[in-house]
Amino acid sequence: ETGVTQTPRHLVMGMTNKKSLKCEQHLGHNAMYWYKQSAKKPLELMFVYNFKEQTENNSVPSRFSPECPNSSHLFLHLHTLQPEDSALYLCASSPQANEKLFFGSGTQLSVL
Amino acid sequence: GQQVMQIPQYQHVQEGEDFTTYCNSSTTLSNIQWYKQRPGGHPVFLIQLVKSGEVKKQKRLTFQFGEAKKNSSLHITATQTTDVGTYFCAGSFGNEKLTFGTGTRLTIIP
Repeated sequence: ETGVTQTPRHLVMGMTNKKSLKCEQHLGHNAMYWYKQSAKKPLELMFVYNFKEQTENNSVPSRFSPECPNSSHLFLHLHTLQPEDSALYLCASSPQANEKLFFGSGTQLSVL
Repeated sequence: GQQVMQIPQYQHVQEGEDFTTYCNSSTTLSNIQWYKQRPGGHPVFLIQLVKSGEVKKQKRLTFQFGEAKKNSSLHITATQTTDVGTYFCAGSFGNEKLTFGTGTRLTIIP
């Protein structure tokens, strides 16, 4: 248990569906992140929130929409995804930006 | 953007043999972190190196940061089946975000 909880663990969705991924951290950290992990690719940073403010949007398509209502919670809203978006989506937090990361268990997403 | 290259991509070793993975950057790193991801799991932080030439040890694991702060290595002595997984380095350039290497997947032949 890393103190970072992600739900759901697995998600299968059609291309026309709308779903949300949830992340919660109980570590009192100020920075939270969304990463995408695909086969044979490095971990790709998608979004960074520092003190609830978005500080990084790494050229992510608009079909991915993050939300950070407070420093403990992070959401990733998904709509009209493509099959190539199928991947493991990892949430992470750190005490301050760019310090060591604590990852959640991830959501394995399959887009049909 | 900045890139961190990691080699090899895969490594198969007999149990008891040593293992090394390398990370290289074309530009100077502020610091480098190492993570381990077990099969089906998530990355777990192992260590951070900050100083030029720094060497840190964790039991059978030895981490090095190059003198020029452009490369780093992770060496495991006498591998065990529990060492199976993918090892990632992640470098920081100034105050910019962490950039992950592609990882080295280690498999152990019993």
